[in-house]
Amino acid sequence: SYVLTQPPSVSVAPGQTATITCGGDNIGVRSVHWYQQRPGQAPVLVVYDDSDRPSGISERFSGSNSGNTATLTISRVEAGDEADYYCQVWDGSSEHVIFAGGTRLTVL
Amino acid sequence: QLQLQESGPGLVKPSETLSLTCTVSGDSVSSSRHYWGWVRQPPGKGLQWMANIYNSGKIYYNPSLKSRVTISIDTSQNQFSLKLTSVTATDTAVYYCTRQPWLRSLDHWGHGTLVTVSS
Repeated sequence: SYVLTQPPSVSVAPGQTATITCGGDNIGVRSVHWYQQRPGQAPVLVVYDDSDRPSGISERFSGSNSGNTATLTISRVEAGDEADYYCQVWDGSSEHVIFAGGTRLTVL
Repeated sequence: QLQLQESGPGLVKPSETLSLTCTVSGDSVSSSRHYWGWVRQPPGKGLQWMANIYNSGKIYYNPSLKSRVTISIDTSQNQFSLKLTSVTATDTAVYYCTRQPWLRSLDHWGHGTLVTVSS
């Protein structure tokens, strides 16, 4: 079945830009969704359909998707952005939801 | 405002059946736009999607769990449920119920409920 790959960890200083990648075979033709999960909390959707933001999500969160890589970008990183981030797609051929393994963002 | 609330036993014995219910408020499980489903997360690990159901009866299961999992919907109670049979310690996890518009993103999640499998 379809496999998504994320780096286990990303570190960034406050105020800088964090980039989290999600790799998959020709992922650019799929809709990619991103979730933030703070410790002890449920995941929250932060980007859907590659680059759209749900209501209430900071404009500091943005996404892109092309070729074999989708990317979540967090600009002007704050301490409160420290969390695990997961990318997700719907795989129509196998008919199920697929999550990547997640990336832990550490704010230095 | 949409809310999803999981309920069920927090402790299940090995080999028994895990049963959870998600009560939906602020939307209808009969909605023509949404699938309803379950995702679990073992302690310290990532997210694993388990199953989705649509009011029409369309159901999708994670192939790795398909032989043990059943999802169902109760429109009269505005709830949907999960059953997982023959549980082992590896089924210990936080279980989340979710809403998924048109099989795309999971736009709303419950708070999650921890289920421990232990004798």
